Amino acid sequence: EVQLVESGGGSVQPGGALRVSCAASGFTFSSYAMTWVRQAPGRGLEWVSAITGSGDSTYYADSVKGRFTISRDNSKNTLYLQMNSLRAEDTAVYYCAKTMIVNRQWVYAFEIWGQGTMVTVSS
Amino acid sequence: DIQMTQSPSSVSASVGDRVTITCRASQGITRWLAWYQQKPGKAPQLLIYTASSLQSGVPSRFSGSGSGTDFTLTISSLQPEDFATYYCQQGNIFPITFGQGTRLEMK
Repeated sequence: EVQLVESGGGSVQPGGALRVSCAASGFTFSSYAMTWVRQAPGRGLEWVSAITGSGDSTYYADSVKGRFTISRDNSKNTLYLQMNSLRAEDTAVYYCAKTMIVNRQWVYAFEIWGQGTMVTVSS
Repeated sequence: DIQMTQSPSSVSASVGDRVTITCRASQGITRWLAWYQQKPGKAPQLLIYTASSLQSGVPSRFSGSGSGTDFTLTISSLQPEDFATYYCQQGNIFPITFGQGTRLEMK
């Protein structure tokens, strides 16, 4: 069964740091680009960051660029999001998600999602 | 950045109704458009990718169409489990962007 399980969420003060993780199973992790998407309470979905299968290329939303770092360890089938200089507006459920390969082409549609991990930034 | 605008923001409908949700991109995205369904407290679920391809396991009452800047998601005959929030998402160019969501409520 293809599965993604996030962990590492919690409460942190403004200006603090947190690392969330996403453990993948049931597929060849290194073959797929992965992404983080967040959802603030009562709000819509916001894309945060993506990383290619090899980890060579990374992409960020402007709202997190310079503060968040996406990475992956293909030997551990794990995706990470290091979040520094956290702000109140970063409070959200953070989901990791798996992209697709269609006709041997990467497609940035997200076919598998984790259950999410809550990050709360508050003093 | 590409802005994705969904309409309507909310819609009320009854079981058995046909419902259409539209999504407009601020610039052309060819067919790199996906649709998701999200229920309260749950992760989103992929319904449609590349504008019109039905994700495995998704009922055939869901369909997508469009290309360029204008896209639609159609539910041909609403079922009770379809009342949820729907999002479009463009995957053509970074940053990836989502529509603001359409809440489908029971009339």
